[in-house]
Amino acid sequence: QVQLQQSGPGLVKPSQTLTLTCAISMDTVSSPFAAWVWIRQSPSRGLEWLGRTYYMSNWHHDYAVSVKSRITISPDTSKDQFSLQLNSVTPEDTAVYYCAREDRGTNAYSPWGQGTLVTVSS
Amino acid sequence: DIHMTQSPSSLSASVGDRVTVSCRASQSISSALNWYQQKPGKAPELVIYSAASLQSGAPSRFSGSGSGTDFTLTISSLQPEDFATYYCQQSSSVPFTFGPGTKVDVK
Repeated sequence: QVQLQQSGPGLVKPSQTLTLTCAISMDTVSSPFAAWVWIRQSPSRGLEWLGRTYYMSNWHHDYAVSVKSRITISPDTSKDQFSLQLNSVTPEDTAVYYCAREDRGTNAYSPWGQGTLVTVSS
Repeated sequence: DIHMTQSPSSLSASVGDRVTVSCRASQSISSALNWYQQKPGKAPELVIYSAASLQSGAPSRFSGSGSGTDFTLTISSLQPEDFATYYCQQSSSVPFTFGPGTKVDVK
């Protein structure tokens, strides 16, 4: 069964770039049946959808308006993983970040990565 | 964006109780509604997709219903492992927004 393993730092300084990676097992990032999603969770914002990438003839990306100017989600086909980059972070970006697989047929998310607590602080 | 609300925000129940959680969308989403269970310190897990379909591996005591704007998650007989927070999510249009959650705790 598909598994997702997240990696990346737990502490990022204000104004710097947050980078997280999600490694995919038992599936491929180019699968026509899946999209690859980043979500974050904080007490103030709850579960917040950040964006997704998927392959359908070429690569597609959708991003939340709230972070659109700062976010990049990038697939890596050589390693079957995808990454999140969030630029110019502030303390408001402190959250638990999750990656997830979206079934392109149902648009439901399963499985999820284990989560990474990212704290933005100097 | 489609706004999701849930009620109640929390409820207390006992093992064996029938539990119902409601979710409402700010506009019609047909049957594009998913339910997730989250336990403390863990990632959410999919329980119900497309409003009424049971995710593989999820116990049959979980069921979902509804369409349009109003949806319900029902646990027919609450088990100890079901104490958790439940979130609905619309998957009709991007961004796929989540509800604020309903915490089910021990009475």
